[in-house]
This record gives sequence, C-alpha cells and structure tokens, in this order.
Amino acid sequence: LAKTTQPISMDSYEGQEVNITCSHNNIATNDYITWYQQFPSQGPRFIIQGYKTKVTNEVASLFIPADRKSSTLSLPRVSLSDTAVYYCLVGGGGFKTIFGAGTRLFVKA
Amino acid sequence: SAVISQKPSRDICQRGTSLTIQCQVDSQVTMMFWYRQQPGQSLTLIATANQGSEATYESGFVIDKFPISRPNLTFSTLTVSNMSPEDSSIYLCSVFSGGEESGNTIYFGEGSWLTVV
Repeated sequence: LAKTTQPISMDSYEGQEVNITCSHNNIATNDYITWYQQFPSQGPRFIIQGYKTKVTNEVASLFIPADRKSSTLSLPRVSLSDTAVYYCLVGGGGFKTIFGAGTRLFVKA
Repeated sequence: SAVISQKPSRDICQRGTSLTIQCQVDSQVTMMFWYRQQPGQSLTLIATANQGSEATYESGFVIDKFPISRPNLTFSTLTVSNMSPEDSSIYLCSVFSGGEESGNTIYFGEGSWLTVV
C-alpha cells in the first residue's frame, strides 16, 4: 500500500484558490488517487479520483504529473464551508484503504 | 455510489458494557470495512468484513474486543466490547463501490460517535 505525505495544515481566505499537494512516491501501476473531505463528526466524503493527467468535476480539480508520484487537489474560490480535513488516498480497486494524517484546511473570512 | 446508514449515530456508554453498531448499505457489496477515528486523529482501519467468512483484523485489533458479523451482502455489525474511556471514538462503516470511472472509491456512513463514561 502506497504511503502518502500531505501538509498537516493550510490556511486560506475566502475566494482564493487552494492547492493541496500529496506525495506518493511508491504508487503502484494499478493504484488510483482519491481525495476525501471530512467535516467534524461526519464520515469522509468522496471529492475526486484520478489515475493520471487532470480530472475536473463540479467541486475540484485533480492534477497528476506523468510520474504519478504526487498529486494536487485544487479547490477553486474556497468559502468558509470548505474548512475541513482533506485526505489523499492511494490504492488499487477492492483493497483496504489506509488513511494518512490528512490536511486541515482552515478558510478565513 | 452507495448509501450507508449507521445506527446508533451517537451514544453514551457505561464503562465495562458493550455496544453493537449496525451498518446497512443500499446495495450488495462484497467488502465492508470498519474504521475507528479517535478525537482529532485520522481514521484507523479496524477490520475488513467479507460476507461468508471471518473478518480480517488489523494489527492492534482483536476479535474478542471488536467482534464483527456479516450475515449478508448489505449488512454488518461491529460490537465494541467491555468498553473503556479509551474506546471513545467515532466508528465508521465503509464499503468499496467500483464504477466505470472509479478504481477504488470507498463510501462512508456518517459514523457512530461513542462516548464511554
């Protein structure tokens, strides 16, 4: 199982773009990269998933370089409600998923 | 995606007692996972529950403390036995749901927040 490394915390202001980078140097060929968001006292919520290049949905974008040893979650124009913990996970389909420490994003007014 | 319901959502338990958490999924899934999240911490995998076989426990977790049942493909229970204050955590049920565009997307219930007094 690939280990991930993320910044422990980040601060931002409303309206800014936030980029959270995750390192996963020993990612395997069949591993996908998935990001989750967790609010206090709630279960993690799926944000976005990708395998390579760029993926975009209505919530975020995920940038994955060619070597796939890192990935960047991009949140456009954050609001106060985006204050949460963001987890980067790497793994193959159907196998247990191990969570890292996550990144605590704090959005200020 | 999968919709997961957990019961209870929250409970206050007496030291030494046991509590069973139920997890219901709206579709049939092969693998279900139970996680624990202690206050201010990340999620820790307790065990993987497959229907028709014994649960597989992670290091540091044992069946006597966290017995798991998996009677069918949509339901599982986790029991926290002989509780102590150190067991105060959120317990989360999750399932793997593969889709045409997903590799290993897992979905979580809202969790069961247990406080042991």
